[in-house]
Amino acid sequence: DVKVTQSSRYLVKRTGEKVFLECVQDMDHENMFWYRQDPGLGLRLIYFSYDVKMKEKGDIPEGYSVSREKKERFSLILESASTNQTSMYLCASSSGAISYEQYFGPGTRLTVT
Amino acid sequence: AQTVTQSQPEMSVQEAETVTLSCTYDTSESDYYLFWYKQPPSRQMILVIRQEAYKQQNATENRFSVNFQKAAKSFSLKISDSQLGDAAMYFCAYRRPNLGSQGNLIFGKGTKLSVKP
Repeated sequence: DVKVTQSSRYLVKRTGEKVFLECVQDMDHENMFWYRQDPGLGLRLIYFSYDVKMKEKGDIPEGYSVSREKKERFSLILESASTNQTSMYLCASSSGAISYEQYFGPGTRLTVT
Repeated sequence: AQTVTQSQPEMSVQEAETVTLSCTYDTSESDYYLFWYKQPPSRQMILVIRQEAYKQQNATENRFSVNFQKAAKSFSLKISDSQLGDAAMYFCAYRRPNLGSQGNLIFGKGTKLSVKP
């Protein structure tokens, strides 16, 4: 079974802190994704990566950056956390072929105070 | 741009009964994929069922089935014999059959399903 893990289930940070959210997948998937999930808004794509060191902006990239130095690991970085970034963050991965399923991690609930 | 609409923010069903969750989408493409994902409380999102647009036959996975109406751009999920474990957020999603950025999932806002014992 595909396993996608995220470094923390819950995280509390202060405004202005630099925050790293880590995601690791064990199925050698080419594609990895970071979503933000907010009540009433569904899932919104922040960034995705289709190969090591490759990244593309999603729908809401402002205030975020990403890093993919190894195929299995995809990091989301909040350079200077703000209260409006309090949210649930979901990581997902999928294979590079036209295989359509994305596998999700358990999520990180981030609170910025 | 493609959009996915789930018009029912919340639904409720009695255990053992049948419930249908609605989803409509907007696209000018003729070939694409549609999905229903389930997110139980505090648990990981998992794929429930998928449908390829070129297939006329509705997909079925055990108690879960879809009613895919391509012309109407409608993709509803039917859950038969509802169980307490079906209680979750359900997300409808659309995907173009392209690699890279063109093939990203577009999600609806979700429907929260409650199951009453």
